[in-house]
Amino acid sequence: DTGVSQDPRHKITKRGQNVTFRCDPISEHNRLYWYRQTLGQGPEFLTYFQNEAQLEKSRLLSDRFSAERPKGSFSTLEIQRTEQGDSAMYLCASSLDTGTQPQHFGDGTRLSIL
Amino acid sequence: GENVEQHPSTLSVQEGDSAVIKCTYSDSASNYFPWYKQELGKGPQLIIDIRSNVGEKKDQRIAVTLNKTAKHFSLHITETQPEDSAVYFCASPNQAGTALIFGKGTTLSVSS
Repeated sequence: DTGVSQDPRHKITKRGQNVTFRCDPISEHNRLYWYRQTLGQGPEFLTYFQNEAQLEKSRLLSDRFSAERPKGSFSTLEIQRTEQGDSAMYLCASSLDTGTQPQHFGDGTRLSIL
Repeated sequence: GENVEQHPSTLSVQEGDSAVIKCTYSDSASNYFPWYKQELGKGPQLIIDIRSNVGEKKDQRIAVTLNKTAKHFSLHITETQPEDSAVYFCASPNQAGTALIFGKGTTLSVSS
């Protein structure tokens, strides 16, 4: 079990630039989640995939954010025209798809906007 | 609405003492309650979870208790060690049963 893998671990970019993060879930997990975590807070849900279908998005996911999971395996999260308020840790989690299953998290991508 | 409240926000104990962290939730239909440990620079790590059909679950030095009537659940760590120092989060599923709603975390410091 290699766990959930996220890349890159850190990203520093200037305001207005686009960034893309990648998540590789645990291989047998059909569900994949993206969360955002700011300093001193718990993770906040952004979006969720069941295989390649994006089934739920939170109000936190503005139009500048887009997520994909094209083949039902890895996922990407893109942020366009980054803003200072986008600075956060972006966490990916995965789980099995039967009922309520434990979610296992990666170590996240820390985004810093200059 | 869906809400998970966690307290205390910080907790300092001496090595060997016990630590207790409490959470309350608002959705009476919630049936799954995980606890995560997060170390600096790492993602949250699932340490124990409980489902609504049981009142207590233990795994070595950690235990979780659930009171569905009062809508609260607690994490108990016995014989604390310095390596238990971390931020602990409780969580509960949203109404759709998909995403987790997290508490704001408890920073546990264990001094030797």
